[in-house]
Amino acid sequence: EDKVVQSPLSLVVHEGDTVTLNCSYEVTNFRSLLWYKQEKKAPTFLFMLTSSGIEKKSGRLSSILDKKELFSILNITATQTGDSAIYLCAVEDGPGGGADGLTFGKGTHLIIQP
Amino acid sequence: DGGITQSPKYLFRKEGQNVTLSCEQNLNHDAMYWYRQDPGQGLRLIYYSQIVNDFQKGDIAEGYSVSREKKESFPLTVTSAQKNPTAFYLCASSFSGVTYEQYFGPGTRLTVT
Repeated sequence: EDKVVQSPLSLVVHEGDTVTLNCSYEVTNFRSLLWYKQEKKAPTFLFMLTSSGIEKKSGRLSSILDKKELFSILNITATQTGDSAIYLCAVEDGPGGGADGLTFGKGTHLIIQP
Repeated sequence: DGGITQSPKYLFRKEGQNVTLSCEQNLNHDAMYWYRQDPGQGLRLIYYSQIVNDFQKGDIAEGYSVSREKKESFPLTVTSAQKNPTAFYLCASSFSGVTYEQYFGPGTRLTVT
């Protein structure tokens, strides 16, 4: 069964709209939750979240984590066509101390129409 | 110019043939990873390696093999035992213990007919 679930799987909005992407997870030894943006090939790192309630911001993008309810949201305000991409959520879990890889959700395919 | 490279960009093979995908990094990273991405799916971990001469299976290792003879290189072999090899393959690397800061290569799209 899926450990990391993203919703919606696809979303089409108009330029200037605000969007909220969701990521819920279920892992045994949570360490961090990460957001990536994938445009054509390789994903690029956006945010890492480890603590509940602390918002991370980068320009028009922001993200927050709720470790009690086991989810995170990624907000994009005043969307632009360049925001069109697949947004991937990933969770790092494990006992720690090593590089064990990440578990990814299926991604949200965001399309911004001019 | 530091980075992570994968070659080739596109690869076509006949069913029943083994094929090896290259991944090289000059970032001095200890850890390297292979992921597979299918349409409508997230990335799924195939194998990872934390140090030279050591590697572990990820979630979907069946039908794949890897080696880590050098720190800079982590080639992935897709064997004939892999039932659905056609996919987009991404290699990544990071410093050991800093899994979240993975740097991804440009990917190889493998098509098997």
